[in-house]
Amino acid sequence: EAQVTQNPRYLITVTGKKLTVTCSQNMNHEYMSWYRQDPGLGLRQIYYSMNVEVTDKGDVPEGYKVSRKEKRNFPLILESPSPNQTSLYFCASSKTLGVQYFGPGTRLLVL
Amino acid sequence: QKEVEQNSGPLSVPEGAIASLNCTYSDRGSQSFFWYRQYSGKSPELIMFIYSNGDKEDGRFTAQLNKASQYVSLLIRDSQPSDSATYLCAVTSNSNSGYALNFGKGTSLLVTP
Repeated sequence: EAQVTQNPRYLITVTGKKLTVTCSQNMNHEYMSWYRQDPGLGLRQIYYSMNVEVTDKGDVPEGYKVSRKEKRNFPLILESPSPNQTSLYFCASSKTLGVQYFGPGTRLLVL
Repeated sequence: QKEVEQNSGPLSVPEGAIASLNCTYSDRGSQSFFWYRQYSGKSPELIMFIYSNGDKEDGRFTAQLNKASQYVSLLIRDSQPSDSATYLCAVTSNSNSGYALNFGKGTSLLVTP
């Protein structure tokens, strides 16, 4: 089954404790992206990658890191999480920009 | 910052009516336009895309694009309660290293029986 998976789905952590949210796709897509979704602010792009070893900042990259060492994986790293990073996070992949397949989402609470 | 604007709603329509969702964008160079549907607590899913001026129909859905006015819309005919969701407009734009996809904040649609 073609899908985008994210782990964990739910995470509660404390300020400053490094965490990684994994994202994997099995569709051989070149393009992958991370978004955060907050009430009243909509879906905002954090980082995106157009291929292996090619990444670029989206609208809200501060406090986040990404890497794309393999085509199928695109992890999101929060080196020192803060409460303002409490959000719903989505990973997405696509063969062509725009036609994106979203993962199920990761709810993050930073205390 | 490339802006994509949508009325947040909620837009309420009776079952069987036509729902009209609108979106404007600021980047005149945008080439591709997408509509996603997001049910509460779920991830967005693509329902339509349009690249050229004019109308594009797919079942009960019609996307309309007017690049001169920087306006894209989604019409849902014969609206059903199952269409109740948030509809996100997305637009591609150029960035330094390629293209990015910018989303509007979404319009909440409520179809009442």
